[in-house]
Amino acid sequence: QVQLVQSGAEVKEPGASVTVSCKASGYTFNSYGINWVRQAPGQGLEWMGWISTYTGNTKYAQNVQGRVTMTTDTSTSTAYMELRSLRSDDTAVYYCARDMVRNQLAVVPAAADYWGQGTLVTVSS
Amino acid sequence: DIVLTQSPGTLSLSPGERATLSCRASQSVRSSYLAWYQQKPGQAPRLLIYGASNRATGIPDRFSGSASGTDFTLTINRLEPEDFAVYYCQQYGSSPFTFGHGTKVEIK
Repeated sequence: QVQLVQSGAEVKEPGASVTVSCKASGYTFNSYGINWVRQAPGQGLEWMGWISTYTGNTKYAQNVQGRVTMTTDTSTSTAYMELRSLRSDDTAVYYCARDMVRNQLAVVPAAADYWGQGTLVTVSS
Repeated sequence: DIVLTQSPGTLSLSPGERATLSCRASQSVRSSYLAWYQQKPGQAPRLLIYGASNRATGIPDRFSGSASGTDFTLTINRLEPEDFAVYYCQQYGSSPFTFGHGTKVEIK
């Protein structure tokens, strides 16, 4: 069965960086893109970006562009999201989510059918 | 950027009633690339509808989606106790792939 298992909760100081991992299993990793979505406490969902696991091409939301890097390691079927220069308003649960469409040559994401369990990142001094 | 406006913010209904949730886009959504997700407290979102009107795998047929221009609707017929949750629409036709702010369906 398809599973996305994310790394554990993190507490970081303002200005630091955090890397969240998302290990996939149960399907061919490099055939489906991965989205990253975050949710601040008590707030709605915010799309952060997407990576093609086949080509490595990325799309980022403008409000994190320049601070975020999404990568994959196909040898371990793991996606990574690094966010730098953390601020208090980056405190959120971060989710990875798989595209529902199998398309190695996709250049944009699809709807997301499988989600990780979420990783709470707290930014506080 | 495409702004998705969901209404109402909160819908108070009883089990067995019909829920009608709206998602209005600020501009055309390419190829009706609109999805609906359900989220319960402490859980990850769950895909319900993609392509505006297609049910995702395993989603009961009491959930349906429709589109008319830039207006999208999620209908839940005969609410079950497990349907009380927050619902989000998302467009994935144009970057950035924005979400609406959500509609909470609560027990009346």
